[in-house]
Amino acid sequence: GAVVSQHPSRVICKSGTSVKIECRSLDFQATTMFWYRQFPKQSLMLMATSNEGSKATYEQGVEKDKFLINHASLTLSTLTVTSAHPEDSSFYICSARGTAGANVLTFGAGSRLTVL
Amino acid sequence: DAKTTQPTSMDCAEGRAANLPCNHSTISGNEYVYWYRQIHSQGPQYIIHGLKNNETNEMASLIITEDRKSSTLILPHATLRDTAVYYCIVSPGLNGNQFYFGTGTSLTVIP
Repeated sequence: GAVVSQHPSRVICKSGTSVKIECRSLDFQATTMFWYRQFPKQSLMLMATSNEGSKATYEQGVEKDKFLINHASLTLSTLTVTSAHPEDSSFYICSARGTAGANVLTFGAGSRLTVL
Repeated sequence: DAKTTQPTSMDCAEGRAANLPCNHSTISGNEYVYWYRQIHSQGPQYIIHGLKNNETNEMASLIITEDRKSSTLILPHATLRDTAVYYCIVSPGLNGNQFYFGTGTSLTVIP
């Protein structure tokens, strides 16, 4: 079945630094990928929709200059948290939908970011 | 925004059927009903989806009412490993269409 891989699974960084999270579709091409954020004991919140070869579409309230998304190929999307602060500490999850006709989103295992 | 409402939590005895309801009264004609579950600190796992007809796979059954305003996910023989948060999502499911998660139902399977 479809597999989405995220890396790193855990990352700890200092306040003010930038962190990049990778999301890869391992056995299928993903024209669209989605990035979510999840705080403890809360549901997943959609941050942005990433389309291969074009700019990401951000949900209302999500700062596009802080959360940089790049989807340069059909198998890779990256999320960069720039100038991270402790309040950015969260569980970041990506998901991907395959090429034409695929109805199901496949999710990665998530990346836990802790900003000190 | 999420277009579904689910009970916050449910318990189920191990080996019994777990029936998880979901209301989606504003569902559009082109929207599917999807069910995912999330085990603690992992990414959501796909369970099943349907449009109008009832669906069954190796994990679960999905019963959708005739007016499509509600559905029920059935885990026929719940095990301890089924303890998770279960999310019901409605979406057109086509490329580019987002999945918005509601609060989900926290299912606890009790030995």
